[in-house]
Amino acid sequence: DAEITQSPRHKITETGRQVTLACHQTWNHNNMFWYRQDLGHGLRLIHYSYGVQDTNKGEVSDGYSVSRSNTEDLPLTLESAASSQTSVYFCASSGGGRETQYFGPGTRLLVL
Amino acid sequence: AQKVTQAQTEISVVEKEDVTLDCVYETRDTTYYLFWYKQPPSGELVFLIRRNSFDEQNEISGRYSWNFQKSTSSFNFTITASQVVDSAVYFCALSEASKAAGNKLTFGGGTRVLVKP
Repeated sequence: DAEITQSPRHKITETGRQVTLACHQTWNHNNMFWYRQDLGHGLRLIHYSYGVQDTNKGEVSDGYSVSRSNTEDLPLTLESAASSQTSVYFCASSGGGRETQYFGPGTRLLVL
Repeated sequence: AQKVTQAQTEISVVEKEDVTLDCVYETRDTTYYLFWYKQPPSGELVFLIRRNSFDEQNEISGRYSWNFQKSTSSFNFTITASQVVDSAVYFCALSEASKAAGNKLTFGGGTRVLVKP
């Protein structure tokens, strides 16, 4: 069955380190998204991509970057992790501009 | 800019009671989509329902129903005869419909529902 996966599911890192969170989908969806979930804020959009080589900034993009080299993957990189980036990160994908987004299981990141 | 407000932060009910979750949204678009997602204690986000702005017909799907009122910018969600397994955080979300906007979602802050046996 087609699915969307994230790895690692849990990560502990130190302030200043570079961290990459993986997202992989097998639906062949064009659109992929990264959100972070914090208490009291719901989910907020970090970056998104509408296809290979396309990336766009979302509402809370500072300190994060993404790259899209193929349809299946959209890795999220924290260039220099900060304690404020401790959060739960969700990846999502959708088939087109008006399709429903389906979410991965999430990655819980702790920055010490 | 889009905004979604879920004024209820937490609702506690006894099993078999009905639960209604409020959602109020703001958008300048005339065409948009509204969603409800469920996040059970296990943490994943599960898609529940989707409604297009040009279709105000309210529907029922099993124990779920929703009331979309464009005039008041509200998209309320009801769980009938609640069960313990309905305990979760429920998110309302909004996306623009224009091709340029893609389908970026704006989420409300979520409502935690606790169903007690």
